[in-house]
Amino acid sequence: EIVLTQSPGTLSLSPGERATLSCRASQSVSSSYLAWYQQKPGQAPRLLIYGASKRATGIPDKFSGSGSGTDFTLTISRLEPEDFAVYYCQQYGSSYSFGQGTKLEIK
Amino acid sequence: QVQLLESGGGVVQPGRSLRLSCAASGFTFRSFGIHWVRQAPGKGLEWVAVISYDGTNAYYAESVKGRFTISRDNSKNTLHLQMNSLRAEDTAVYYCVTTDSGSYHDGFHYWGQGTLVTVSS
Repeated sequence: EIVLTQSPGTLSLSPGERATLSCRASQSVSSSYLAWYQQKPGQAPRLLIYGASKRATGIPDKFSGSGSGTDFTLTISRLEPEDFAVYYCQQYGSSYSFGQGTKLEIK
Repeated sequence: QVQLLESGGGVVQPGRSLRLSCAASGFTFRSFGIHWVRQAPGKGLEWVAVISYDGTNAYYAESVKGRFTISRDNSKNTLHLQMNSLRAEDTAVYYCVTTDSGSYHDGFHYWGQGTLVTVSS
């Protein structure tokens, strides 16, 4: 089983700043089968990024994904109030597993 | 547009059974693999199971293998999750999820609103 570890657990930033979230896998994620999700309280998760760097339909270009192998990053430029949420990474190359999440909170 | 509507959640005693359903619309249901993903209260996401487009293949998380069964009825555009021998740790919101391509190797593009299962005496 591939274990995904996200860091930091909580990230405190101000609107307008840039957020960098990390996801590290316990073994290489094949073919960059890595996705990122955003979840707000009381809502289902929303797909942001798949294939490590492809934006899902309707996702603004302030969200970008990068990385390969075991290290992946989600970057959110110019934070807006609606971006403060919990973010999960997921691998779907060898069965499926999620990271434990990073909470992005307003500083 | 793609819609996934879960139902069947509720409160159930440990050791008992419950059957969840997911009604799908807005896409060619019979061509897509479908997943169940769950989230315990205040916790992260956990993948539960997936079934192939035609129902011939199903895969499960170790935590539910042998207790849960995923199935589908393509004539009714409906997915099911039969949950037996329920435990307190199965308490969660259960989401019905599908991809954009129907492939096993794709992000989870579409999510239902979820149905809450509470296992408690």
